[in-house]
Amino acid sequence: GAGVSQSPRYKVAKRGQDVALRCDPISGHVSLFWYQQALGQGPEFLTYFQNEAQLDKSGLPSDRFFAERPEGSVSTLKIQRTQKEDSAVYLCASSSSGRNYGYTFGSGTRLTVV
Amino acid sequence: AQSVTQPDIHITVSEGASLELRCNYSYGATPYLFWYVQSPGQGLQLLLKYFSGDTLVQGIKGFEAEFKRSQSSFNLRKPSVHWSDAAEYFCAVARMYSGGGADGLTFGKGTHLIIQP
Repeated sequence: GAGVSQSPRYKVAKRGQDVALRCDPISGHVSLFWYQQALGQGPEFLTYFQNEAQLDKSGLPSDRFFAERPEGSVSTLKIQRTQKEDSAVYLCASSSSGRNYGYTFGSGTRLTVV
Repeated sequence: AQSVTQPDIHITVSEGASLELRCNYSYGATPYLFWYVQSPGQGLQLLLKYFSGDTLVQGIKGFEAEFKRSQSSFNLRKPSVHWSDAAEYFCAVARMYSGGGADGLTFGKGTHLIIQP
């Protein structure tokens, strides 16, 4: 597609519920990144994929967070047993390679845990 | 590990006045540097980026930024702001790979720009 697509746009979850957030990157983009943006803060790195390989997951805040990209395209960020502190906007970005390297961000999923 | 400091949490500028948003980074080699803008409820829009070459880079919406290696800075400037420039501005750095490409971005905490009429 023309841009990075994220769904759902908004998600309200009850505490303890599992959620799955989807990211559809720009076609052909090898690298895919997930970020968490708390209210009033800058985005914080969560994890990074190159094709289907998860090369860096150092930013995942706990073992309740899990990301996958099984076919090297669409990615899913899953949060198990959601807690109130998980409330944030989750941003996905994909990037091309080479001389015109850059990151294109989706509009994000705003997760509210009640 | 790389880090980014945006010293100004809020900046208020009169419409038509000039603007400079400060950004300092910490990184041991030549970084990729970026400025993004975020309006309320929106995603991040790239204003400009620096990889190498000319240290003064031009971006969209009349913005420019200058890379100063000696000061580890990448300040964003605009000669005359418009009310529509009111938004949150983020500076970010990424680690370059020798073969091209980079890893994830490290963002500053952002500067909230307020435009006075």
